[in-house]
Amino acid sequence: GNSVTQMEGPVTLSEEAFLTINCTYTATGYPSLFWYVQYPGEGLQLLLKATKADDKGSNKGFEATYRKETTSFHLEKGSVQVSDSAVYFCALRGSNFGNEKLTFGTGTRLTIIP
Amino acid sequence: NAGVTQTPKFQVLKTGQSMTLQCAQDMNHNSMYWYRQDPGMGLRLIYYSASEGTTDKGEVPNGYNVSRLNKREFSLRLESAAPSQTSVYFCASSEARTRTPNLREQYFGPGTRLTVT
Repeated sequence: GNSVTQMEGPVTLSEEAFLTINCTYTATGYPSLFWYVQYPGEGLQLLLKATKADDKGSNKGFEATYRKETTSFHLEKGSVQVSDSAVYFCALRGSNFGNEKLTFGTGTRLTIIP
Repeated sequence: NAGVTQTPKFQVLKTGQSMTLQCAQDMNHNSMYWYRQDPGMGLRLIYYSASEGTTDKGEVPNGYNVSRLNKREFSLRLESAAPSQTSVYFCASSEARTRTPNLREQYFGPGTRLTVT
């Protein structure tokens, strides 16, 4: 079945540092890949996505590239801010039409220190 | 446009009590989902409903029942709560009936934090 392996946290960085959160997946076919963010006390929000190999998703300064050869979708940001402190989830959706179920990684808690 | 709403936000139950978590969406989506979030486990799918009138088990359905009341509403019921069901519960919805991947995103509600003592 499908699975997502995500970098364990927590991760603590200083403001303006470079961020990478690793995500690798196992799936058949061509899944769609997602990063969700959960701010304290809130639900999950879609941060970015990629639906085919070599696509780059980007939003709010975050980027992730769908690498089929390494089955990875690592999240990066060049200069993090305190407001980026949150829990980040990598997720995939199967490629079959009608299969809408998401498989999530365990989440990575990110704390940015001023 | 409220998106996905959930009630209640917080609930404390004693072992053996029952309760229903409510979820509603105003985006005219066909598919709805219930997840639970536990530390170190990510989100796990409990039940989902691909369309009005249908429901299917997800990864962790034991101890739960669901009802897709109409297109807007999808409720999750705990008949006899157990401490192992202490968790944060999220409802989500998506428009599944399109072959355009970009339109099939799942939108999440704010969650219900449930404690069973």
